[in-house]
Amino acid sequence: DAGVIQSPRHEVTEMGQEVTLRCKPISGHDYLFWYRQTMMRGLELLIYFNNNVPIDDSGMPEDRFSAKMPNASFSTLKIQPSEPRDSAVYFCASSPTMAALDPQHFGDGTRLSIL
Amino acid sequence: RKEVEQDPGPFNVPEGATVAFNCTYSNSASQSFFWYRQDCRKEPKLLMSVYSSGNEDGRFTAQLNRASQYISLLIRDSKLSDSATYLCVVNSGYSGAGSYQLTFGKGTKLSVIP
Repeated sequence: DAGVIQSPRHEVTEMGQEVTLRCKPISGHDYLFWYRQTMMRGLELLIYFNNNVPIDDSGMPEDRFSAKMPNASFSTLKIQPSEPRDSAVYFCASSPTMAALDPQHFGDGTRLSIL
Repeated sequence: RKEVEQDPGPFNVPEGATVAFNCTYSNSASQSFFWYRQDCRKEPKLLMSVYSSGNEDGRFTAQLNRASQYISLLIRDSKLSDSATYLCVVNSGYSGAGSYQLTFGKGTKLSVIP
């Protein structure tokens, strides 16, 4: 079975540029999560969706960050304009339900470097 | 107090050793608990859920102490392949605003040495 698919795997760009990260969740999973991981802060939840609707975006750091889920099989996380402090690994994860013991399935992540 | 706190390590142990990690959490209303494993430059993967009565999966044992608000992971007979970062994860369920609260610890790094 295909897992969560993220693209690109690596992105290097100059500050000020727009960055778009993409995610395809596991088919049938109603919940999609975007995380950011850095050495300093660990893994942080940015936003999550239920049935394509954003439920909680309180983890989104600034207005420069936005996320969309136009359909059940695709989501994007956009940073515009990007800054060097946005450099991190961004993970997308999906889960079939919000049941207490339901694990999250992570994609391979996108390693983002802003120069 | 941080929401989920772990000793960052690293724990350097010889093969065959027994090693234990602890994790404390601050929200007493937390409902469910997990240990995830993350290999270097890889994504986190679920290792095991933690049940109130404690649970075992092969060489791995997880325990929960609600009164003291900590969970533990015990690894017996360590293998080289156990080398990874172990993340403690706490699900505080739905807040009053209806949002889901899953919090990851920063992880404990384990290196098993030949």
